[in-house]
Amino acid sequence: EVQLQQSGPEVGRPGSSVKISCKASGYTFTDYVMNWVKQSPGQGLEWIGWIDPEYGSTDYAEKFKKKATLTADTSSNTAYIQLSSLTSEDTATYFCARSRITTWVMDAWGQGASVTVSS
Amino acid sequence: DIQMTQSPASLSASLGETISIECRASEDIYSNLAWYQQKSGKSPQLLIYAANRLQDGVPSRFSGSGSGTQYSLKISGMQPEDEGDYFCLQGSKFPFTFGSGTKLEIK
Repeated sequence: EVQLQQSGPEVGRPGSSVKISCKASGYTFTDYVMNWVKQSPGQGLEWIGWIDPEYGSTDYAEKFKKKATLTADTSSNTAYIQLSSLTSEDTATYFCARSRITTWVMDAWGQGASVTVSS
Repeated sequence: DIQMTQSPASLSASLGETISIECRASEDIYSNLAWYQQKSGKSPQLLIYAANRLQDGVPSRFSGSGSGTQYSLKISGMQPEDEGDYFCLQGSKFPFTFGSGTKLEIK
């Protein structure tokens, strides 16, 4: 069974950073890219970017290039997203979702990780 | 960026009713469109990909159609478990972009 298990809720102070993990199981980690998606009440769903775990190559939406850093560890089948210089606009739920690099379709999602920015 | 305009924003349907949700892209996305269902507090579940291909395990009452810039999701015979939020996603060009969502409720 394919599973994407994300880390728990995070609270960060304005200006700080948080790092969320997404541990994959039930499939070959390097056969899929990992997408990251932001969901917030005000902005709906936004694609942040993706990482190819085999090569470490990434693509980001322009809006998130200075906000998010995507990494992956093939030894532990885990993908990460780090969000930096937190502001209230970063308060949201963040999902990881896998897709085959050849089809882009996100066919399995993590359960989501909430980030709250508060002083 | 490609804009995805989704309608309606909300919909109330009776059990057994057939409903449709629409997504219009700001440019041709060549059927690179997927539909998802999201229930409250849960992660999105893939229903349809490539505009009209049913994901494995999804009931056949769900169907997708469209081409170019106009796409639709149809539910033929509303069931209680179909309540939730639905949204479209285009994968034709970076950045991938989502529709604003449709909240579907039982009347």
